[in-house]
Amino acid sequence: AQRVTQPEKLLSVFKGAPVELKCNYSYSGSPELFWYVQYSRQRLQLLLRHISRESIKGFTADLNKGETSFHLKKPFAQEEDSAMYYCALSPTGFQKLVFGTGTRLLVSP
Amino acid sequence: DTEVTQTPKHLVMGMTNKKSLKCEQHMGHRAMYWYKQKAKKPPELMFVYSYEKLSINESVPSRFSPECPNSSLLNLHLHALQPEDSALYLCASSQGTDRKGAFFGQGTRLTVV
Repeated sequence: AQRVTQPEKLLSVFKGAPVELKCNYSYSGSPELFWYVQYSRQRLQLLLRHISRESIKGFTADLNKGETSFHLKKPFAQEEDSAMYYCALSPTGFQKLVFGTGTRLLVSP
Repeated sequence: DTEVTQTPKHLVMGMTNKKSLKCEQHMGHRAMYWYKQKAKKPPELMFVYSYEKLSINESVPSRFSPECPNSSLLNLHLHALQPEDSALYLCASSQGTDRKGAFFGQGTRLTVV
């Protein structure tokens, strides 16, 4: 079975501080991993995917297969980063997303 | 057009009503999805359509009936729902198994009374 764990329900930081949102997964195959973000009153939107190894809005995420983790990082948090962040896994060959429980990031001035 | 559009935005229905949720995308995506999201919970997959054929049904009760009339449209027909079915229903689409991720609609906030 596939499982995504986000241990923190809420992460509160000050503007300019580094941020790391944790994500661990459980899957026997080679999954595709994503980070989705939901800003207040906006739709769920794709932030990052592990396959592209890109940096979006200053966020990066590296897949660590040994630790089965896909943590989301940003060196300097901004107030506009405040949102709900979901880590999601797509099993190989299956068109579905399994979401973690989400972490609410709150960046204070 | 890079959006997934869902109508209506809000819906209140009685337990004996029949209603439908609609979803539309014009990105040429061949996979479309229905997710259910309860308050303060992550989205949970209900159905997947791939090339207009139902490919995944996550053991959803038959009071929810999906339909994909064409490659751009996805409906969710609702009948005899229960109050516990009240939730945000999200539609999403993707190109398929191309690892690019899914685009989500704003959702329909459904309240069953």
